[in-house]
Amino acid sequence: DTGVSQDPRHKITKRGQNVTFRCDPISEHNRLYWYRQTLGQGPEFLTYFQNEAQLEKSRLLSDRFSAERPKGSFSTLEIQRTEQGDSAMYLCASTDRGTNEKLFFGSGTQLSVL
Amino acid sequence: DAKTTQPNSMESNEEEPVHLPCNHSTISGTDYIHWYRQLPSQGPEYVIHGLTSNVNNRMASLAIAEDRKSSTLILHRATLRDAAVYYCILGFGDTGRRALTFGSGTRLQVQP
Repeated sequence: DTGVSQDPRHKITKRGQNVTFRCDPISEHNRLYWYRQTLGQGPEFLTYFQNEAQLEKSRLLSDRFSAERPKGSFSTLEIQRTEQGDSAMYLCASTDRGTNEKLFFGSGTQLSVL
Repeated sequence: DAKTTQPNSMESNEEEPVHLPCNHSTISGTDYIHWYRQLPSQGPEYVIHGLTSNVNNRMASLAIAEDRKSSTLILHRATLRDAAVYYCILGFGDTGRRALTFGSGTRLQVQP
């Protein structure tokens, strides 16, 4: 068990560019979450999946954000036309009823938009 | 989501017990009380959760008030590695919603 893996760890991009992050959950975990965290704040919920179905999206997830989880395994979070306000740590977590619904978080992807 | 209220920061001395309070006066009857902590430069990690009865695990204890409007996370002997932001969160009740909403948490400083 290697835990929740996120790639890349860091991403620097220019305003207006598109970026994509990947999350590999713990094997067999059927729920996967995306959160965003800015300095000094707690993680903000963005969206979550049950298997491949996206069950909830926060209103923080603007039209420029899209998340997918094809085949119910890994997930990707894409941000189109990045803005400086998108600079944050993007965290992924996974869980399963078998773990008593404890969330296991990855180390995150730090995005800097210049 | 029902909200929680936590102090912004607390200090403790190493090897002493720490009691981290959380108020949640609007908790629903089915909401669980979850605690997570976040060490510097890491993602949050699960600490403990409970519904009505007090809970113990190898990391901490959770004391839940009889009316469930408040709870306390207890670290029995603080170490320097316990310095982190601790989040008290309500969720996973009968609403069917399976997302946890984090607040700002309590930043715990542990002095040697």
